[in-house]
Amino acid sequence: NAGVTQTPKFQVLKTGQSMTLQCAQDMNHEYMSWYRQDPGMGLRLIHYSVGAGITDQGEVPNGYNVSRSTTEDFPLRLLSAAPSQTSVYFCASRIGQRGRETQYFGPGTRLLVL
Amino acid sequence: AQSVTQLDSHVSVSEGTPVLLRCNYSSSYSPSLFWYVQHPNKGLQLLLKYTSAATLVKGINGFEAEFKKSETSFHLTKPSAHMSDAAEYFCVVGDSGTYKYIFGTGTRLKVLA
Repeated sequence: NAGVTQTPKFQVLKTGQSMTLQCAQDMNHEYMSWYRQDPGMGLRLIHYSVGAGITDQGEVPNGYNVSRSTTEDFPLRLLSAAPSQTSVYFCASRIGQRGRETQYFGPGTRLLVL
Repeated sequence: AQSVTQLDSHVSVSEGTPVLLRCNYSSSYSPSLFWYVQHPNKGLQLLLKYTSAATLVKGINGFEAEFKKSETSFHLTKPSAHMSDAAEYFCVVGDSGTYKYIFGTGTRLKVLA
């Protein structure tokens, strides 16, 4: 198993540009989520999905869109990038939606918005 | 509402000495608690988790944590620090009733030679 994979590893954008961060998992996990990590703030939940076709907002959803057309993939879209979205983004998956299950993280995407 | 507080943002220890990273939590439900480690420019790796079985939980690389309900704590310890333990550590509380997984702000561990 490859686990949770993310692409790209690093990206530079100009303000106003759009892009999609890719996330895929091969563990047949129902639950997938996106976090952003900023210095001194831990990880904050952006969006999550409890299965194909079902998504919902986390703590900091503004400026981001998601969709879940398959169990494996959960892309995160920035429609109009802003400098405040400079961060490290982590995708994660776990087998169920309950907070008791172990969550597995991808290697991260480092995004710089100029 | 759930929350988690990591009491130290930075901890420095000498190689071979004990490590203590402190975590307090608040949860309305029976919590699940996790410790993750993040090495520089890497993803997050699970060290250990507590899900209402034994209160002393053993993890990878010699780490362990003790769940103390009366103190609402879940401190991470290791008897003898190694240089490779230098990393950032996150305490996480998971709500068994919902999807929520709340992260602490992290503790950066420095190991001195």
